[in-house]
Amino acid sequence: GAVVSQHPSWVICKSGTSVKIECRSLDFQATTMFWYRQFPKQSLMLMATSNEGSKATYEQGVEKDKFLINHASLTLSTLTVTSAHPEDSSFYICSGGGSSYNEQFFGPGTRLTVL
Amino acid sequence: AQSVTQPDIHITVSEGASLELRCNYSYGATPYLFWYVQSPGQGLQLLLKYFSGDTLVQGIKGFEAEFKRSQSSFNLRKPSVHWSDAAEYFCAVGAPGGYNKLIFGAGTRLAVHP
Repeated sequence: GAVVSQHPSWVICKSGTSVKIECRSLDFQATTMFWYRQFPKQSLMLMATSNEGSKATYEQGVEKDKFLINHASLTLSTLTVTSAHPEDSSFYICSGGGSSYNEQFFGPGTRLTVL
Repeated sequence: AQSVTQPDIHITVSEGASLELRCNYSYGATPYLFWYVQSPGQGLQLLLKYFSGDTLVQGIKGFEAEFKRSQSSFNLRKPSVHWSDAAEYFCAVGAPGGYNKLIFGAGTRLAVHP
């Protein structure tokens, strides 16, 4: 199957700093990429949908100025958590849209810890 | 609104026993249905999906799922569980139409006893 990578796999930062997470589709072109957030022992919650070359669409309740998403190419999307706070600590997962309807390929996730 | 319910948070089975993980959905029409497995340190892996046609769907790793419209269910089954099947399993629903967002259930954590 198609492979999606994320970098870094984990990051620890101080409160108030910004953190960038990269999501790459390694062997396919992802016109659409999705960003999810997963709290411990909970399900994945969609944060935003990004299409290459256009602005991301954020889900209700997600602050677009706090979670900046850039999808500059068909193989790369980035999520920047700006002015991170401890409540932003979570597991962030991206996925890329494949050629089939609704088929998404998921990255391994990035664990963010904000001190 | 679309929603997915996985009633069982934790399930423990013995190796070699059969398994059924429950999933119920709420959607106005027939949605696209998925089962994913999440292992520690790995991304979600698609086990199987249902779009239309035969309501019994075969997936990878010996899993199958049956779509029952009358019960709004899409339960995942495996006749004989292996220790390596211990993981978190997520049922998800998507709206037909391409690249639409997925709504995930809360997940079921499967433990396998030797």
